[in-house]
Amino acid sequence: SQQGEEDPQALSIQEGENATMNCSYKTSINNLQWYRQNSGRGLVHLILIRSNEREKHSGRLRVTLDTSKKSSSLLITASRAADTASYFCATAYSGAGSYQLTFGKGTKLSVIP
Amino acid sequence: EAQVTQNPRYLITVTGKKLTVTCSQNMNHEYMSWYRQDPGLGLRQIYYSMNVEVTDKGDVPEGYKVSRKEKRNFPLILESPSPNQTSLYFCASSPYQFSPLHFGNGTRLTVT
Repeated sequence: SQQGEEDPQALSIQEGENATMNCSYKTSINNLQWYRQNSGRGLVHLILIRSNEREKHSGRLRVTLDTSKKSSSLLITASRAADTASYFCATAYSGAGSYQLTFGKGTKLSVIP
Repeated sequence: EAQVTQNPRYLITVTGKKLTVTCSQNMNHEYMSWYRQDPGLGLRQIYYSMNVEVTDKGDVPEGYKVSRKEKRNFPLILESPSPNQTSLYFCASSPYQFSPLHFGNGTRLTVT
């Protein structure tokens, strides 16, 4: 398994500040996806970045991918209390006749009003 | 409304009593998958299916079975549940492999 690893495990910031979460993985990937989960609910897809892309934006989200370092980062700008959630990276990998989308353990973000 | 529906939402059972968690999607997605989520371990893939009649093991398939007889349904079967299968289970689907997943709301299973 080439499960991604998020860093930090937990992050607490003030409303209005930026939040940065990192993800590292072990082998080559097809794409990397970021998801958000509100307490015990189903995950919601945020953004997908392909292996040949370096940066992607969606609203207040910015994702970077460095395949040479096998790492990605998710930046949430001007955070809001409603951004409080857990954030997961997932790596999509296909090889040897199998396909896997494996998730990391997540970063728990708390945004303090 | 496009959605992935899991049932039941909560389930408490006893060791050894066979159970099925149902999963259905109305988006005509080819790819479906089951995950379990445990504190400190994140989400781990149990089984996935690329299309009808095509299923494959994920990272933690032991103790689970699945079937994909129809495109929309992907039930998870626990033939003989054990307490270490107490977990939060998620079903998810996507149009094809590599595309973003749509998740159900989860099934919280307790095995005593």
